[in-house]
Amino acid sequence: AQSVTQLGSHVSVSEGALVLLRCNYSSSVPPYLFWYVQYPNQGLQLLLKYTSAATLVKGINGFEAEFKKSETSFHLTKPSAHMSDAAEYFCAVTIMDSNYQLIWGAGTKLIIKP
Amino acid sequence: EAGVAQSPRYKIIEKRQSVAFWCNPISGHATLYWYQQILGQGPKLLIQFQNNGVVDDSQLPKDRFSAERLKGVDSTLKIQPAKLEDSAVYLCASSPSILARYEQYFGPGTRLTVT
Repeated sequence: AQSVTQLGSHVSVSEGALVLLRCNYSSSVPPYLFWYVQYPNQGLQLLLKYTSAATLVKGINGFEAEFKKSETSFHLTKPSAHMSDAAEYFCAVTIMDSNYQLIWGAGTKLIIKP
Repeated sequence: EAGVAQSPRYKIIEKRQSVAFWCNPISGHATLYWYQQILGQGPKLLIQFQNNGVVDDSQLPKDRFSAERLKGVDSTLKIQPAKLEDSAVYLCASSPSILARYEQYFGPGTRLTVT
């Protein structure tokens, strides 16, 4: 069975600093991996996805993530945080055999300090 | 392209009352999902439709929750009777069929408060 672990329910960084949100997954077969962002009182928006092509994936708003099979990780990074990045971020995994159902992490709330 | 539409955005009811949520997916998307998101947690899948058929409803509390997708387009999720623990955001998502089924597009959600 697949599972997702997001380390840190809250992450606080200063504006302009590096953003690093951690995601580790468990899957017995090659997974597809996703990062979604949720702004307050809004639905989830796809940030980026890994679907077995390039291991370094670039998404919207300057975010990127690297798939590392040996570490079973898919951490999300952004070189310089902006106040508008304050939101909750969710990592999710799916595999073809699961009818593409997403298994979600518990989320990490990103706080940006001025 | 219009996104996933949901209504109402907010609903407050008393326990034991009933409530219904509506979702209109992106045009042409065959797969529709209902999720329950409790504060501080990731979304939990309640039910998945492919066109107007149910693919998976294993996590739907069928004694009180029901969902339908007549004509394979919009969908309704109902809770009857509601309990305090049903307080959550109910998210609807849709995805294209066959290719990119794993890409899900979410609506803004309905925030339900049960008092």
